[in-house]
Amino acid sequence: GQNIDQPTEMTATEGAIVQINCTYQTSGFNGLFWYQQHAGEAPTFLSYNVLDGLEEKGRFSSFLSRSKGYSYLLLKELQMKDSASYLCAVMDSNYQLIWGAGTKLIIKP
Amino acid sequence: ETGVTQTPRHLVMGMTNKKSLKCEQHLGHNAMYWYKQSAKKPLELMFVYNFKEQTENNSVPSRFSPECPNSSHLFLHLHTLQPEDSALYLCASSQTGVRGEENSSPLHFGNGTRLTVT
Repeated sequence: GQNIDQPTEMTATEGAIVQINCTYQTSGFNGLFWYQQHAGEAPTFLSYNVLDGLEEKGRFSSFLSRSKGYSYLLLKELQMKDSASYLCAVMDSNYQLIWGAGTKLIIKP
Repeated sequence: ETGVTQTPRHLVMGMTNKKSLKCEQHLGHNAMYWYKQSAKKPLELMFVYNFKEQTENNSVPSRFSPECPNSSHLFLHLHTLQPEDSALYLCASSQTGVRGEENSSPLHFGNGTRLTVT
């Protein structure tokens, strides 16, 4: 079966750096997405990786290793507004999105 | 402002009621989706419409009935629901490929309807 694993919950301190991991086993691979979802709000697109390596976008970076079935989302200079759930999703060979259950990130002052 | 608007935001209904969820997208996308989000579970894809044609129905019970009158509007008609159907129902849109396959175009989600079935 197809599976996406990510930690259920993480805690970090304001101003620090946090890395949220995502591992996947899917039928083929056509890209990996990260979304941010604040409580009671819509998930919003953060990043897309289809080739190995690091994609940087301001304070957020996303890394992909296709051979290891692994990605991470790196958040730098954490702010209180970064408290949210972070969803990892992989597009398989049929262009179907397979979703993880999300990682709830709690930022403490 | 997400470009995708869902109404109502909250809905409480009894098991014998009939209600409808509404979604409207202002992004000019050609694909629309219904997802179910339950606590601590992955998003579950329910229905997909490409160019107003339903292309996906993931074994969803018949008590959920989608309707897509045009590429900007999507409805989810609900009847005789069960308490386990209580969840957040998210609508999304995207721009897909010519053949309707999903590509790297990200999904744009609405804020969802929080449904409680009593």
